[in-house]
Amino acid sequence: DTGVSQNPRHKITKRGQNVTFRCDPISEHNRLYWYRQTLGQGPEFLTYFQNEAQLEKSRLLSDRFSAERPKGSFSTLEIQRTEQGDSAMYLCASRSPTALYEQYFGPGTRLTVT
Amino acid sequence: AQKVTQAQTEISVVEKEDVTLDCVYETRDTTYYLFWYKQPPSGELVFLIRRNSFDEQNEISGRYSWNFQKSTSSFNFTITASQVVDSAVYFCALSEETSGTYKYIFGTGTRLKVLA
Repeated sequence: DTGVSQNPRHKITKRGQNVTFRCDPISEHNRLYWYRQTLGQGPEFLTYFQNEAQLEKSRLLSDRFSAERPKGSFSTLEIQRTEQGDSAMYLCASRSPTALYEQYFGPGTRLTVT
Repeated sequence: AQKVTQAQTEISVVEKEDVTLDCVYETRDTTYYLFWYKQPPSGELVFLIRRNSFDEQNEISGRYSWNFQKSTSSFNFTITASQVVDSAVYFCALSEETSGTYKYIFGTGTRLKVLA
């Protein structure tokens, strides 16, 4: 059990550029979550996957954001045409199908949009 | 609507003092879980405790203790004899059965500064 990993850990990009983050969940976990944490706030739910199906999206997930989980393994979160307001920590979490309330968080990807 | 409130934005204490972090939640579910996480400057969320809605027993783990009271919808966290290494942001979170996804709803966090 190597835990949830996220790459990159830090990303600095210029406004208007596209960025993509990757999350590798714990191998037997088929549920995956993305959260966003802005400065001084708690993490906020963005989206949820069960296997490869994206079952819930928050209103925070504007049309510039897209998340995928091909083959139900790793997941990617892409932000198109980044804005300064997208600067945040993006956290990924995974859980097993039986431990309903137990999410394991990755270290996060800190995005800075200049 | 579900909600978690951490009214204390920042608390400063001197080392060895006891400190209590407050958490008040709102939910219509009868089955839910409450959590506390620690977030040091590195940014990683460190799990501290999980408590289900049917278990109101207080819990103690070393210098940490938690007081869960359904009557007041509170789940407070006390650090006894605080240490400088306790300095971090602490988050309380709620997960509800009826959400279907069991996503977490976090409070805004309390920044704890323990001064030497």
